[in-house]
Amino acid sequence: KAGVTQTPRYLIKTRGQQVTLSCSPISGHRSVSWYQQTPGQGLQFLFEYFSETQRNKGNFPGRFSGRQFSNSRSEMNVSTLELGDSALYLCASSLGTSGANEEQFFGPGTRLTVL
Amino acid sequence: AQSVTQLGSHVSVSEGALVLLRCNYSSSVPPYLFWYVQYPNQGLQLLLKYTTGATLVKGINGFEAEFKKSETSFHLTKPSAHMSDAAEYFCAVSVNNNNDMRFGAGTRLTVKP
Repeated sequence: KAGVTQTPRYLIKTRGQQVTLSCSPISGHRSVSWYQQTPGQGLQFLFEYFSETQRNKGNFPGRFSGRQFSNSRSEMNVSTLELGDSALYLCASSLGTSGANEEQFFGPGTRLTVL
Repeated sequence: AQSVTQLGSHVSVSEGALVLLRCNYSSSVPPYLFWYVQYPNQGLQLLLKYTTGATLVKGINGFEAEFKKSETSFHLTKPSAHMSDAAEYFCAVSVNNNNDMRFGAGTRLTVKP
């Protein structure tokens, strides 16, 4: 079974631009969560989508948004990029039906650099 | 709100020595606890998880962790370190039916030959 895939793997943008990251979950998984990983703040939860609906949300500004399609693939968008948005963005998928004790399977991440 | 604290951002052990990575959690309700490992330029891989039942949890690659409610701890151990264990390790907690997983700051494990 194929794992979680994220595209692109690396991205360089300039301040003020916007960016869209993509995540394809494991087949059969309906939940997709996004995390931001930085050296200073560590791993922080952005949001979770389940069946095309945002089910949980972390404490990030509205510049960070996402969506999920009917095939469970998810995209994350960051508008008006700031230098502090430089990070590794990780996507994780799970079945989404077993609650908080479910294992989340992580993709390799997209490394975003904002210049 | 739930959270985890990992004691020690860097741990160095010799090959063959005991590995002990510390994690304490804070939660007002029974938590679900996880240990993940991250190798360079890769995503996170689940080592083990505690949900309910047996407090000693065995995971992959010879790792295990013990849930101690009285100490609010979930320390990760491995009897004998291998060079391939060098990586960053994250403790995480989630509660209820929420997929909002809270991670610790991570502990980078170095294994010396």
